[in-house]
Amino acid sequence: RKEVEQDPGPFNVPEGATVAFNCTYSNSASQSFFWYRQDCRKEPKLLMSVYSSGNEDGRFTAQLNRASQYISLLIRDSKLSDSATYLCVVNGRLGGGADGLTFGKGTHLIIQP
Amino acid sequence: EADIYQTPRYLVIGTGKKITLECSQTMGHDKMYWYQQDPGMELHLIHYSYGVNSTEKGDLSSESTVSRIRTEHFPLTLESARPSHTSQYLCASSGPNRTPRGTDTQYFGPGTRLTVL
Repeated sequence: RKEVEQDPGPFNVPEGATVAFNCTYSNSASQSFFWYRQDCRKEPKLLMSVYSSGNEDGRFTAQLNRASQYISLLIRDSKLSDSATYLCVVNGRLGGGADGLTFGKGTHLIIQP
Repeated sequence: EADIYQTPRYLVIGTGKKITLECSQTMGHDKMYWYQQDPGMELHLIHYSYGVNSTEKGDLSSESTVSRIRTEHFPLTLESARPSHTSQYLCASSGPNRTPRGTDTQYFGPGTRLTVL
């Protein structure tokens, strides 16, 4: 099992729809979870951290399920500008640098007019 | 917005040239990273640093080298560039918490897109 797994997509979604995607992680000791957004040929940018109790930031909601070892991202009322690749990021392994972060391969989202 | 800078943004050079990719951050972060990413592919960690005079190799083997003489500066050097080095190189940093988001949030620079002919 890969350390962080995501469905690569692409997810083609009409504007205004709600879209959700999950990410599974293998290390049960992981403590920090993030969603990053990466636009084509740009750098990843932090979208939101994921807290145990779940958290919301405007149209975006992140959830953590420790028992099943997955995190989710829900986007409501999707906009054309939400089109991007969404990277799931998890810490807690020996590799991955000083922070022990592992980046998923990303889920490609395309919002269609 | 993160205060992390990379130069040059684009670089096209011939095989065999020595190059240095610059990365600087003004956030006082202790930890810095270099990632390599090909178009449409995942990020691969190639180097990281815990602080001044600390450098470590990442998960993906790379012929590049790094140095960390100053906290804010983490340059990457290729002694002899080859076409296989063509890729995007992304620098990132994390460190003492100056935002509510926690100490291990990584902030990325805009990247250097390297093409070796």
